[in-house]
Amino acid sequence: AQKITQTQPGMFVQEKEAVTLDCTYDTSDPSYGLFWYKQPSSGEMIFLIYQGSYDQQNATEGRYSLNFQKARKSANLVISASQLGDSAMYFCAMREAGGGADGLTFGKGTHLIIQP
Amino acid sequence: NAGVTQTPKFQVLKTGQSMTLQCAQDMNHEYMSWYRQDPGMGLRLIHYSVGAGITDQGEVPNGYNVSRSTTEDFPLRLLSAAPSQTSVYFCASSTLTGFDGNTIYFGEGSWLTVV
Repeated sequence: AQKITQTQPGMFVQEKEAVTLDCTYDTSDPSYGLFWYKQPSSGEMIFLIYQGSYDQQNATEGRYSLNFQKARKSANLVISASQLGDSAMYFCAMREAGGGADGLTFGKGTHLIIQP
Repeated sequence: NAGVTQTPKFQVLKTGQSMTLQCAQDMNHEYMSWYRQDPGMGLRLIHYSVGAGITDQGEVPNGYNVSRSTTEDFPLRLLSAAPSQTSVYFCASSTLTGFDGNTIYFGEGSWLTVV
């Protein structure tokens, strides 16, 4: 079974609209971290936001926020007021404390295209 | 500047050739890892290391070899390149217990084509 599922292969959004990118995860480890990365066409991996499994509040970083619903095992990324520069691949990833040495497990990504 | 440095950025190999992708970090991180990214896929873990002298396999280790003789360096060796190893390779480092996203650093990627 996939540990990270991103169900939106691609999305088209109008500039200035808010965007929600879906991510569900599967783990039996009570301690884990959830990450979102942006990968523009240039290829580098850019860290956006992090949510720990014990964090009481949803993480926010500027225009990015993470809608963390622990019971549903959901960690959706919300981008407010989208910009043309937000066009990129977006990856959700998880790191489990028990298997922490196993690194990050990534979803297959969502290709987001912002239209003017 | 602190960070993870990968070389080379681009490489074309012939089937059967061997090569080494270099990865170095200057943040004294215990944990280093190699990922590969194929079209339509997220990154998949190849090998990782939790400290000098310690390495282990990830999800897709076949055809690759690693060593960790120093804290700073974690080279990835392709023993006999195959077209299936055409991919983009990322090196990453972090503290061993780091669960803050800001402590995971990625290199800029190495584009490898095997013909």
